Amino acid sequence: GQNIDQPTEMTATEGAIVQINCTYQTSGFNGLFWYQQHAGEAPTFLSYNVLDGLEEKGRFSSFLSRSKGYSYLLLKELQMKDSASYLCAVSDSNYQLIWGAGTKLIIKP
Amino acid sequence: DTGVSQDPRHKITKRGQNVTFRCDPISEHNRLYWYRQTLGQGPEFLTYFQNEAQLEKSRLLSDRFSAERPKGSFSTLEIQRTEQGDSAMYLCASSLATTYNEQFFGPGTRLTVL
Repeated sequence: GQNIDQPTEMTATEGAIVQINCTYQTSGFNGLFWYQQHAGEAPTFLSYNVLDGLEEKGRFSSFLSRSKGYSYLLLKELQMKDSASYLCAVSDSNYQLIWGAGTKLIIKP
Repeated sequence: DTGVSQDPRHKITKRGQNVTFRCDPISEHNRLYWYRQTLGQGPEFLTYFQNEAQLEKSRLLSDRFSAERPKGSFSTLEIQRTEQGDSAMYLCASSLATTYNEQFFGPGTRLTVL
């Protein structure tokens, strides 16, 4: 079967760094996406990894290890507006996105 | 283009009624997806179109759900004989049919079935 696992909830402090992990087992792999979703809103694209390694984009970075079926999203210099759910999604052999349940990130002052 | 739009944004209906939602994708996108999302869960795939062809439909989707994309542009999702378990956010997304396949989401339609 296809499975995406990520923690249900994480808490971090404003200004700190947080790492959100995602492990996956899918039928084929054509890249991994991270999306951000604020409560009551639609998901918005954050990053895409298809090769192993780290992709950096401002305060956000995403890492992929295909051999381990593992990715993480790293958020630096946390701001209150980063409080949201972070969704990991894998593009499978049919280029369909398989979604995790999301990690709710709570930022405390 | 201002992105993916959905109408209505909110819908309250009584159990047993039919509802129809509309999605207008980004104009140059040939793929269109429908998802359902409940609180604390990721998007659940319902169906997708490439141009006007419906290429895949979730096996979890009951016969009460039907979707169309008649001219390969906008799409409609109809739910017949709604049940309380249908209450959810219904998301539409569009993308280009490439290996990259970044999906752009609309704001969603929140359905409440009383």
